[in-house]
Amino acid sequence: QQPVQSPQAVILREGEDAVINCSSSKALYSVHWYRQKHGEAPVFLMILLKGGEQKGHDKISASFNEKKQQSSLYLTASQLSYSGTYFCGTPPMNYGGSQGNLIFGKGTKLSVKP
Amino acid sequence: DVKVTQSSRYLVKRTGEKVFLECVQDMDHENMFWYRQDPGLGLRLIYFSYDVKMKEKGDIPEGYSVSREKKERFSLILESASTNQTSMYLCASSFRGGNTEAFFGQGTRLTVV
Repeated sequence: QQPVQSPQAVILREGEDAVINCSSSKALYSVHWYRQKHGEAPVFLMILLKGGEQKGHDKISASFNEKKQQSSLYLTASQLSYSGTYFCGTPPMNYGGSQGNLIFGKGTKLSVKP
Repeated sequence: DVKVTQSSRYLVKRTGEKVFLECVQDMDHENMFWYRQDPGLGLRLIYFSYDVKMKEKGDIPEGYSVSREKKERFSLILESASTNQTSMYLCASSFRGGNTEAFFGQGTRLTVV
């Protein structure tokens, strides 16, 4: 079942913060975040595992709340280079086992303006 | 620099043609994936393979088949191309297991006319 991302799109000025949410109707064991810049391949940002772990990647961090079946991506003091479409992905298995295949959300388009 | 290379960036084919999309990775990854990307629908998994000659259906396998004869190469085959298969196709690879980073190729934009 495809995770639901919100918002679908967001426009920011440089230096502003944003939050992108990813939620699922089924239990989550891990959440994977990717960013795809226009015309480029998706690039891995981070994986969050069951346990509420918060991870960071430069000024981009994320949290994972398995009780709420939700992950949030936090972009702090956004830069022009943050523009792109952000995807969350979750394993299809409902018991945590996965061979690496993911079900991705529809994506959140982030535009950072000067 | 790690690489996933797709054979074509752009491809135009006629309805009914048999189409081959090729993907090669140089990272010795066990897993390889084919995704389709359409506006507003995100990335949808067509097929994946976790070992040579092994394949598993993804969410939208209808109209597609795959081949993995060598570890580094994963081919997507459209047996009889149709206009509704016009899309961006992305190949990816990763090490075995569920919690590993996937590396994507640049994509092949296929247009079926």
